[in-house]
Amino acid sequence: ELKVEQNPLFLSMQEGKNYTIYCNYSTTSDRLYWYRQDPGKSLESLFVLLSNGAVKQEGRLMASLDTKARLSTLHITAAVHDLSATYFCAVGLYLGQFYFGTGTSLTVIP
Amino acid sequence: KAGVTQTPRYLIKTRGQQVTLSCSPISGHRSVSWYQQTPGQGLQFLFEYFSETQRNKGNFPGRFSGRQFSNSRSEMNVSTLELGDSALYLCASSPQGNHLRDYGYTFGSGTRLTVV
Repeated sequence: ELKVEQNPLFLSMQEGKNYTIYCNYSTTSDRLYWYRQDPGKSLESLFVLLSNGAVKQEGRLMASLDTKARLSTLHITAAVHDLSATYFCAVGLYLGQFYFGTGTSLTVIP
Repeated sequence: KAGVTQTPRYLIKTRGQQVTLSCSPISGHRSVSWYQQTPGQGLQFLFEYFSETQRNKGNFPGRFSGRQFSNSRSEMNVSTLELGDSALYLCASSPQGNHLRDYGYTFGSGTRLTVV
């Protein structure tokens, strides 16, 4: 069974600092998705990574995919309070089926 | 542009009852997937529908079923509810057909089901 591991599970960081969330998965896939979830809310799509070496950036967030290492990273630059949320990576298989990671709960402290 | 709409938002049911949840995808989206989210198990795939056909199913008991209508709206049904079925049920839609590579899925706000 496909396993998707995220670390850390919990992350508390000061505003202005940088940090990286890691997503490791156990099977071959070249489709990796990052979502954000605020408390009590649904999942908001952040990035869709579709090939080895893909890198996408939006604001203070940058995601990358290394399919050979089966690793994706979500890098946070100069964190701000508005980034506080839970971040999920998800590995895409076929027919609309994602395997989600455990999530990383991020708290940005002023 | 309207997003993915799920109804109802909240639901309280008693053990042994059955429940039907509804999902209206974004206009033009033909693929609908359902997920269960719980604190213990995280986000787990239930099933996916495209053009009224279930194309893939996750590892859930037969009490969980679904269907899709010709207008792409989808419903999921849970029969003989158990306490462990309490969860946030999310549906997601996508415009893609056989090629799932380019679009990702847009999620609805979910239905929070509580079984007492």
